[in-house]
Amino acid sequence: SQQGEEDPQALSIQEGENATMNCSYKTSINNLQWYRQNSGRGLVHLILIRSNEREKHSGRLRVTLDTSKKSSSLLITASRAADTASYFCATDSGAQKLVFGQGTRLTINP
Amino acid sequence: NAGVMQNPRHLVRRRGQEARLRCSPMKGHSHVYWYRQLPEEGLKFMVYLQKENIIDESGMPKERFSAEFPKEGPSILRIQQVVRGDSAAYFCASSPPGTRGEQYFGPGTRLTVT
Repeated sequence: SQQGEEDPQALSIQEGENATMNCSYKTSINNLQWYRQNSGRGLVHLILIRSNEREKHSGRLRVTLDTSKKSSSLLITASRAADTASYFCATDSGAQKLVFGQGTRLTINP
Repeated sequence: NAGVMQNPRHLVRRRGQEARLRCSPMKGHSHVYWYRQLPEEGLKFMVYLQKENIIDESGMPKERFSAEFPKEGPSILRIQQVVRGDSAAYFCASSPPGTRGEQYFGPGTRLTVT
């Protein structure tokens, strides 16, 4: 399996509910980043968490990082229809190249 | 401050033709990265360049693919003698010098090989 694997592959929830996506990776990292991609579009950077950080917030987003388990989670609270997108985690091991997972496809139902 | 710009947004080529994809990084950014995304998959790193230098090309196929980032002008990803398997979205990202952090992505070029 690859560095930066997201789980679940697809998630469908009702508007207003919280969405949690997980990411696991294999090697040591400098930082881990979460990106959003709307269908057929480019990537939008959401949040970066460094290896010495455990939790970070940005608006309705909350990211945690557990380096002992080599895992991260992205929580989107009070979801909206506009949050429908694919979400990718990407790890940076210090070589300036990001390693992406396969992504979680999130659908918010009105 | 304009974001990362890529052109063309869509490119159709017949098998055997050449494809040239352009990327203009954000103003002040001297690091450029190219990634490829196959349908329903995540992005795969191809190459990392700084002005006039290829820093890491470990993700580039050994044949037919080349990249450059000249002193003046955009970065170019060139694919010679395209094959159907080259059909994908190609994304460019840039970052400022001296940082180890987020990369700013362009909208991508969708290459279709017929």
